[in-house]
Amino acid sequence: KNQVEQSPQSLIILEGKNCTLQCNYTVSPFSNLRWYKQDTGRGPVSLTIMTFSENTKSNGRYTATLDADTKQSSLHITASQLSDSASYICVVSAMYDDMRFGAGTRLTVKP
Amino acid sequence: DGGITQSPKYLFRKEGQNVTLSCEQNLNHDAMYWYRQDPGQGLRLIYYSQIVNDFQKGDIAEGYSVSREKKESFPLTVTSAQKNPTAFYLCASRQAHGTIQSSYNSPLHFGNGTRLTVT
Repeated sequence: KNQVEQSPQSLIILEGKNCTLQCNYTVSPFSNLRWYKQDTGRGPVSLTIMTFSENTKSNGRYTATLDADTKQSSLHITASQLSDSASYICVVSAMYDDMRFGAGTRLTVKP
Repeated sequence: DGGITQSPKYLFRKEGQNVTLSCEQNLNHDAMYWYRQDPGQGLRLIYYSQIVNDFQKGDIAEGYSVSREKKESFPLTVTSAQKNPTAFYLCASRQAHGTIQSSYNSPLHFGNGTRLTVT
């Protein structure tokens, strides 16, 4: 069964600190992995996409990594800001376009 | 600005009533999707449509219905047969272009959701 597991469920950090969110998946055959940011009461917005051949990709203060062998991805946020408070959702697509969503990590950045 | 508009933002209904959620996009995207989001769970696919006048059931289609009469519009009806309709509903669209694989790599563009409460 294609599944996506994210950890931790929730995280509280102080403004300016770094953090790393994890995503483990069993989706196969793998096509791509996306990280989305979802602000409270709004729809998710794509941050980055990782395909099989990529193992690191950055988007500003967000850096995603992918280890296709261990089927793990991480999203690292550097120098966090209050506006980073949101849920971060990992979405893994199989070759036949079966998108599977993780439950998300709820990040709270405190001043 | 191009985007997806969902309306209303909040919707309250009595049990036993059907209700229709609106989703309109001006991104000229071919594919549209409806998801349901519940606390502590990943988004679950209700219905999707790859082209006008065609749509497919997702993982949790029971108690829901859709239509795709226009490319821009993909309304979702929550019927009285849906056992637990209270949830946050998200509509999304995606461009289908070039090869099948390149369309799979296109991001989903989401609306800002409709929170439905049924009592």
